[in-house]
Amino acid sequence: KQEVTQIPAALSVPEGENLVLNCSFTDSAIYNLQWFRQDPGKGLTSLLLIQSSQREQTSGRLNASLDKSSGRSTLYIAASQPGDSATYLCAVRIGNFGNEKLTFGTGTRLTIIP
Amino acid sequence: DGGITQSPKYLFRKEGQNVTLSCEQNLNHDAMYWYRQDPGQGLRLIYYSQIVNDFQKGDIAEGYSVSREKKESFPLTVTSAQKNPTAFYLCASSPDRFNYGYTFGSGTRLTVV
Repeated sequence: KQEVTQIPAALSVPEGENLVLNCSFTDSAIYNLQWFRQDPGKGLTSLLLIQSSQREQTSGRLNASLDKSSGRSTLYIAASQPGDSATYLCAVRIGNFGNEKLTFGTGTRLTIIP
Repeated sequence: DGGITQSPKYLFRKEGQNVTLSCEQNLNHDAMYWYRQDPGQGLRLIYYSQIVNDFQKGDIAEGYSVSREKKESFPLTVTSAQKNPTAFYLCASSPDRFNYGYTFGSGTRLTVV
């Protein structure tokens, strides 16, 4: 059974710092990995999608990497801002056609201190 | 703009009542999903549908029912058989291809009163 772990559960950093969020998964047979952001009481906003054949994806100040063989992904946030405060979730897509699903980690709650 | 609309945003259920959560998408996505989110836990899959008039149980389907009569709509009914329904419910959709990601709605918070 696929398990996805995100450590730490919570992280506080001063504004302007660069930071890394971690995601690990137990079964490397994934199709892709997706990073999401969730603000309190809101839905999930997709940040980056990495296919299993890719090593990284970038969008603005965000960079996500994927090492499928070791079961790890990182989300790098450059020059953090108070607006980056949110919970960040990673999810891996697994399964055969007709039986695929997304397995989520429990998230990292990020607080950027002004 | 294309997206997923969930309604209502907040819903209150009395003991023994069935309630229905709405999920509508205009993304022309084939697949739709319902997830439940509880504090301190990851999202858990309730039901999913990859084509009209067909759906499969997820990990925690007991006490829930769904229908998929139209491609755009995937309503979730929380029945009285669901003993602990208070949670945040999220609907998602995706094209039925593995190289695409999921799009989520803004969620419905259900509270039992």
